[in-house]
Amino acid sequence: AQSVTQPDARVTVSEGASLQLRCKYSYSATPYLFWYVQYPRQGLQLLLKYYSGDPVVQGVNSFEAEFSKSNSSFHLQKASVHWSDSAVYFCALSMTNSAGNKLTFGIGTRVLVRP
Amino acid sequence: AQTIHQWPVAEIKAVGSPLSLGCTIKGKSSPNLYWYWQATGGTLQQLFYSITVGQVESVVQLNLSASRPKDDQFILSTEKLLLSHSGFYLCAWSGDSGNTLYFGEGSRLIVV
Repeated sequence: AQSVTQPDARVTVSEGASLQLRCKYSYSATPYLFWYVQYPRQGLQLLLKYYSGDPVVQGVNSFEAEFSKSNSSFHLQKASVHWSDSAVYFCALSMTNSAGNKLTFGIGTRVLVRP
Repeated sequence: AQTIHQWPVAEIKAVGSPLSLGCTIKGKSSPNLYWYWQATGGTLQQLFYSITVGQVESVVQLNLSASRPKDDQFILSTEKLLLSHSGFYLCAWSGDSGNTLYFGEGSRLIVV
């Protein structure tokens, strides 16, 4: 069965600092991988996705993620965070032939950006 | 551009009362539609999905049901709410771009 692990429940960073959020997955093949962000009391917004090809994918708002098949990871990064980046970030996996496009989510990482 | 609208935004309901949450997609014909549930402070769990009108597949049994009466509409309901139904309900759609899901703003439910 597939799974997604986000080892950090909370991350606190200072504004202007870099941010890395970790995501490890478990799946027998190469999955589709996603990062979503959830701002307080809102739905999920897609930041970026990986299907195949270049392992480094660019997303919205200067986020990028790097896929590593050898490490089964899909870490999210941002070079310089802004206070508005405070939110919960979810890593998700979709199997390549899943019925109903089921997304398996990690538990999320809550990011607090200090001014 | 596609838009997804969920209603109501929030509800406070009594245990044992009925519930109906709705979701409408505009700008996309024949989307795949999904219901997800998120416990407060928790991760997301897929409840139902629908590939076409009138067909709904259940992923998790939570004493809830779903229906797709129209191509652009997805309804989540139950006749008797439980305390455990409290949480955040998210509707999502996907289309030709493969497995990417796009979520609505969600409906918050508090069962008392």
